Amino acid sequence: QSALTQPASVSGSPGQSITISCTGTSSDVGRYKYVSWYQQRPGEAPKLILFDVSNRPSGVSNRFSGSKSDNTASLTISGLQAEDEAYYYCSSYTISATWVFGAGTELTVL
Amino acid sequence: EVQLVESGGGLIQPGGSLRLSCAASGFTVSSTYLSWVRQAPGKGLVWISTIYSGGSTYYADSVKGRFTISRDTSKNTVFLQMSSLRAEDTAVYFCARGAHGGNYVDYWGQGTLVTVSS
Repeated sequence: QSALTQPASVSGSPGQSITISCTGTSSDVGRYKYVSWYQQRPGEAPKLILFDVSNRPSGVSNRFSGSKSDNTASLTISGLQAEDEAYYYCSSYTISATWVFGAGTELTVL
Repeated sequence: EVQLVESGGGLIQPGGSLRLSCAASGFTVSSTYLSWVRQAPGKGLVWISTIYSGGSTYYADSVKGRFTISRDTSKNTVFLQMSSLRAEDTAVYFCARGAHGGNYVDYWGQGTLVTVSS
C-alpha cells in the first residue's frame, strides 16, 4: 500500500499550463481506469476534480483535464488562474479492492 | 443535498480508544460505500478503511486489527472505532462517500481532528 508518486511541487504563471504526474504500479494505476484527482486548499476538505482518469464532475472547469499511460496518470491545468493554487492529490482503486492516494503536489501560481 | 458530518475527535492518550461518527444526509449509507481517509498535520491524504453497500469491510495495513468500520442504517451513520491508538494516528479524519457505481470519492466531510498524545 505504498503511496502513488507525485512531484512535491509545481509552479506556473497565470495563463500557462502545468502537468502533474502520478505514478503507481500494475496493481493500481496501470490496472484500472479508476484514477481520480482532488484539489485541496488549506483548511478545507478535498474536492473532486476528475474521475475515471479524465471525466470532470459537473461544475468543474474544462481547464482541468486528465490522461493515463501505463502506470502513470497525469493532470493538466490549462490557463492557470490564481484560484488554482492548492494541493492536488491523485488516487487509484487497487487490485486489493482498496484505494491509494498520492503524496500530494503543491501548485503555486507565480 | 449530500452532507457528511464527522464528530468524535479529540485528545486521547496513547493506547486509548475513540469512536468517530459520520452522520450522512441526502442519501442512505447502505446505498453506496463509505470510506475514512486521514491526513496527518502537514501531510497528504491516506486511505484508512471502506465499508461497502453489502457490508464488506477493508482496512489499510497500518490500522488493521486496531480500527473497525461499521454503520447504523437506522441513524444513517458510519462509525470508525479506533483502539490501541498511537501518536502516528494523529490526524484529521475525513468521512468520504463513494460515488454510486463508481470507484472514486464524490463527497467529503469537513473532518474531525484526533490527537494522540500524553
